Amino acid sequence: DAKTTQPPSMDCAEGRAANLPCNHSTISGNEYVYWYRQIHSQGPQYIIHGLKNNETNEMASLIITEDRKSSTLILPHATLRDTAVYYCIVTFGYGNKLVFGAGTILRVKS
Amino acid sequence: DAGVIQSPRHEVTEMGQEVTLRCKPISGHDYLFWYRQTMMRGLELLIYFNNNVPIDDSGMPEDRFSAKMPNASFSTLKIQPSEPRDSAVYFCASSSTAAKPLLYEQYFGPGTRLTVT
Repeated sequence: DAKTTQPPSMDCAEGRAANLPCNHSTISGNEYVYWYRQIHSQGPQYIIHGLKNNETNEMASLIITEDRKSSTLILPHATLRDTAVYYCIVTFGYGNKLVFGAGTILRVKS
Repeated sequence: DAGVIQSPRHEVTEMGQEVTLRCKPISGHDYLFWYRQTMMRGLELLIYFNNNVPIDDSGMPEDRFSAKMPNASFSTLKIQPSEPRDSAVYFCASSSTAAKPLLYEQYFGPGTRLTVT
């Protein structure tokens, strides 16, 4: 079963930041937070992951609260191509099993 | 790089027929995963391999499903006999532990859309 809770859907204006929340209150000390997204009719795509510290890459930023019970994925300047289902996943780094929940449908609107 | 390659992209078959889905992982990747996605159940992990050896097949729905990985560059998922409830998109993914031990990014293929009538 998925260990995360995400809102079912969100809207964001094109060019604005999209902030996608995720609750993972039962996360253990050595579990990582991963984010993937799935654009319609494509396979899921890795976005970013983190353990304790905030992380940033060319696609997004990941903000993890100090108690690690929640996190936020930030797309700094959302475009129409960012419309997708975003999955927040908690897993041990060495476990390899990704359990996908229902995710958040992000709709970027012009 | 070519990415994960799956074939066929679409398969339509009649109930009772055997179906074989194929996957070529990214060269050098040592993990391979098979997932199934339906509207009702979402994205489910069926089985995964490490260095061609099946590690966890607990997600395989029943004996009608079987998966093999005869070498590092090829895997098959077979359904025999197929049933209408097997209709889904089947994804293959691969990952590598070589560059980032403990941290795994899975690279997904485009999927095979299976329709069983």
